[in-house]
Amino acid sequence: AQSVAQPEDQVNVAEGNPLTVKCTYSVSGNPYLFWYVQYPNRGLQFLLKYITGDNLVKGSYGFEAEFNKSQTSFHLKKPSALVSDSALYFCAVRDPYNFNKFYFGSGTKLNVKP
Amino acid sequence: GAVVSQHPSWVICKSGTSVKIECRSLDFQATTMFWYRQFPKQSLMLMATSNEGSKATYEQGVEKDKFLINHASLTLSTLTVTSAHPEDSSFYICSARRGGDEQFFGPGTRLTVL
Repeated sequence: AQSVAQPEDQVNVAEGNPLTVKCTYSVSGNPYLFWYVQYPNRGLQFLLKYITGDNLVKGSYGFEAEFNKSQTSFHLKKPSALVSDSALYFCAVRDPYNFNKFYFGSGTKLNVKP
Repeated sequence: GAVVSQHPSWVICKSGTSVKIECRSLDFQATTMFWYRQFPKQSLMLMATSNEGSKATYEQGVEKDKFLINHASLTLSTLTVTSAHPEDSSFYICSARRGGDEQFFGPGTRLTVL
């Protein structure tokens, strides 16, 4: 079975500081990993994905994520947080045997304080 | 590009009535659309995969007769919640696949059943 875990319900960071939102995965086969962001009462917006290649993936709005196979992790990072980054972040893995099916983590609420 | 809209953005209805939610891909054709349900402070749960011109594929535990899905064209899928009850109150999100890996999400519809 495929799954992702986001161990933190909430992450608090001061504006200008680096941020990390954690995600670990469990998948049979090659992992196809994604990060999405959700603002209040809005749908999810794609940030970045890892399919293959470089372990460090760069995405939208200055976000990046590091794929670590040995630790089965795909943490989301940003060198300098903005207040406008405050939102709900979801990690997801695509089923390697059914490309239509995504498994989402429980989400992490990021609070960036001025 | 790759914009997905949903209508309505919110709806309040009486118990026992049916509610239809539309999902449209505005600037691309989507052979496959997806319907998710999101409970407060929880992740997205895939309800069904909707393929244009064919029957939807429902996830285990999702009642087909309760949640009717129609994908009549390459740009429109509809979800009808039949005989809605308060426990059906939720945030319903659709997404569409343009091709490739990404799903593009709609802004969601908040359903409240009184």
